[in-house]
Amino acid sequence: DVVMTQSPLSLPVTLGQPASISCRSSQSLVYSDGNAYLNWFQQRPGQSPRRLIYKVSNRDSGVPDRFSGSGSGTDFTLKISRVEAEDVGVYYCMQGTHWPETFGQGTKVEIK
Amino acid sequence: VQLVQSGAEVKKPGESLKISCKASGYDFTNFWIAWVRQTPGKGLEWMGLIYPGDSHARYSPSFQGQVAFSVDKSITTAYLQWSSLKASDTAMYYCRTTVAYNVDVWGQGTTVTVSS
Repeated sequence: DVVMTQSPLSLPVTLGQPASISCRSSQSLVYSDGNAYLNWFQQRPGQSPRRLIYKVSNRDSGVPDRFSGSGSGTDFTLKISRVEAEDVGVYYCMQGTHWPETFGQGTKVEIK
Repeated sequence: VQLVQSGAEVKKPGESLKISCKASGYDFTNFWIAWVRQTPGKGLEWMGLIYPGDSHARYSPSFQGQVAFSVDKSITTAYLQWSSLKASDTAMYYCRTTVAYNVDVWGQGTTVTVSS
């Protein structure tokens, strides 16, 4: 299976400040069609996961534009331009290029 | 678009179980439904998916032979079932579907507790 490694695993942030989460895959996530199927999910406390970003950098419907995704090959990043209180939760990357699809361990974002 | 899952279950080892995921608001037969397990120790794990149109299922190797997916198109419901539960099946289980490039939907989750 493709191993997804996130860092950091814990991220204390100040409200209004930026935050960045890294995700590395053990194999290239570029599929034969040229796309990299790398998603980012947010899981707020007590809630189901919610997809924020698909195919590296595309925001899902209703996702605030303070969230952005970037990267290529094996290295990917989720950035929050200005953290808000509602952003507290655990963030997961997930690859959908190789079967079975696999998740990172999660990064817990909390307010300082 | 909504996925509504069945309620929490408490079972004994060796018992069977079938949990459900009721879909609404979209064409159920045209979009796959995936199942995801979440545990404190292993985080989120992709179990596999089923395509309701023809009931074709594909399982992650870690779950092959351990669980079974099925659907009932007449009531737009997907199922995840076990024939013999183990304590290690204790987890939260989610169903999920993507009905457009930018529309990804998860159920609210079903907690399964297996304990003697």
